[in-house]
Amino acid sequence: DSGVTQTPKHLITATGQRVTLRCSPRSGDLSVYWYQQSLDQGLQFLIQYYNGEERAKGNILERFSAQQFPDLHSELNLSSLELGDSALYFCASSSRDRANEQFFGPGTRLTVL
Amino acid sequence: GDSVTQMEGPVTLSEEAFLTINCTYTATGYPSLFWYVQYPGEGLQLLLKATKADDKGSNKGFEATYRKETTSFHLEKGSVQVSDSAVYFCALSEPRGFKTIFGAGTRLFVKA
Repeated sequence: DSGVTQTPKHLITATGQRVTLRCSPRSGDLSVYWYQQSLDQGLQFLIQYYNGEERAKGNILERFSAQQFPDLHSELNLSSLELGDSALYFCASSSRDRANEQFFGPGTRLTVL
Repeated sequence: GDSVTQMEGPVTLSEEAFLTINCTYTATGYPSLFWYVQYPGEGLQLLLKATKADDKGSNKGFEATYRKETTSFHLEKGSVQVSDSAVYFCALSEPRGFKTIFGAGTRLFVKA
């Protein structure tokens, strides 16, 4: 158990819909990262937050957005969903002292029908 | 930009065989290097790391040495077990952890 929690574990929805994925980092970790893992594109970095502020941006679509709240949990919002958005979405966190060691949550499997 | 290239899988081995998974990187600075492992149905777990040239990371019988001259960080294990079956990701991280770049992953199957 990494200490990072993600909800829900599974999500099934239809095209055009909007969903919110939630992540709680390890206790004390200030950084949160979001990744998308699909069969054809591997593990893609989406976005990073540090103590509530956006720190780095990767291959995140405009239809996707994220935020980190004062209690440090984070949410990833996916809108106007397409079939190709079906994937595993992972959240990871890291501490200030060991900023480049990431601890991953179990993931949310999103299926868009 | 920075990148990580690792050998394509799947790699299929018999139990107790020697494992090597190749990883090379491109970076402008002095990154830290990592191997993560993903067991079926789980998230990634940090397996080992090395932060500077000639450092050797090791954990659970796995080893990798940071070779700056060949820009490589190959993963090795002397005797694999069925329980090592997983996907292995090589990764590099820029200083201060602002961004981590992952390789495509290499799936390992170990047969009894």
